[in-house]
Amino acid sequence: AQKITQTQPGMFVQEKEAVTLDCTYDTSDQSYGLFWYKQPSSGEMIFLIYQGSYDEQNATEGRYSLNFQKARKSANLVISASQLGDSAMYFCAMREGEDSSYKLIFGSGTRLLVRP
Amino acid sequence: DTEVTQTPKHLVMGMTNKKSLKCEQHMGHRAMYWYKQKAKKPPELMFVYSYEKLSINESVPSRFSPECPNSSLLNLHLHALQPEDSALYLCASSHRLAGLNTGELFFGEGSRLTVL
Repeated sequence: AQKITQTQPGMFVQEKEAVTLDCTYDTSDQSYGLFWYKQPSSGEMIFLIYQGSYDEQNATEGRYSLNFQKARKSANLVISASQLGDSAMYFCAMREGEDSSYKLIFGSGTRLLVRP
Repeated sequence: DTEVTQTPKHLVMGMTNKKSLKCEQHMGHRAMYWYKQKAKKPPELMFVYSYEKLSINESVPSRFSPECPNSSLLNLHLHALQPEDSALYLCASSHRLAGLNTGELFFGEGSRLTVL
């Protein structure tokens, strides 16, 4: 069963506008973590933001914020004031449990293109 | 600049060759990972090392052989690969103790492998 679902293969946004990238997840664990990574064409995976399952407040990191709706099992990424350098592939990922051999599972990704 | 260094950045090999991919980190992380990423797909976990011991092998074919000589180094030995093994191979590292931090993975820029 798909654990992480990103339903938007591609998105466009105008420079300086905000954009929301969708992510839903499926887990029966009470303790889990949700991540967003950015992958530019160079290939490196760049960590953007993290939300723990017990965190009551939505995570924010500069222009990135995570809209965490636990009951809906969604963890959407909001990028405010888009910049041309934000054009990249974005992956939502989930870490399950807290044992020492956890795995990070990635969604299929969303390609974001920022238009000037 | 990434704190996880992967070499070589590009590798072309024949199906009968033996080659190795190398990964190094000096952040004191005790977990290291190999991921494989095909074009336009998310990264897929191959191996996890925790405290220099193999803790997860995601049913990877034996033509891929991981090695963790010490806590800073991770190798992936390649032998008798197939053209379908051509992909971006990403190394990552993280702290190991749950609760110590978010469990974020730090990725290298990857080694792009082409098998002829």
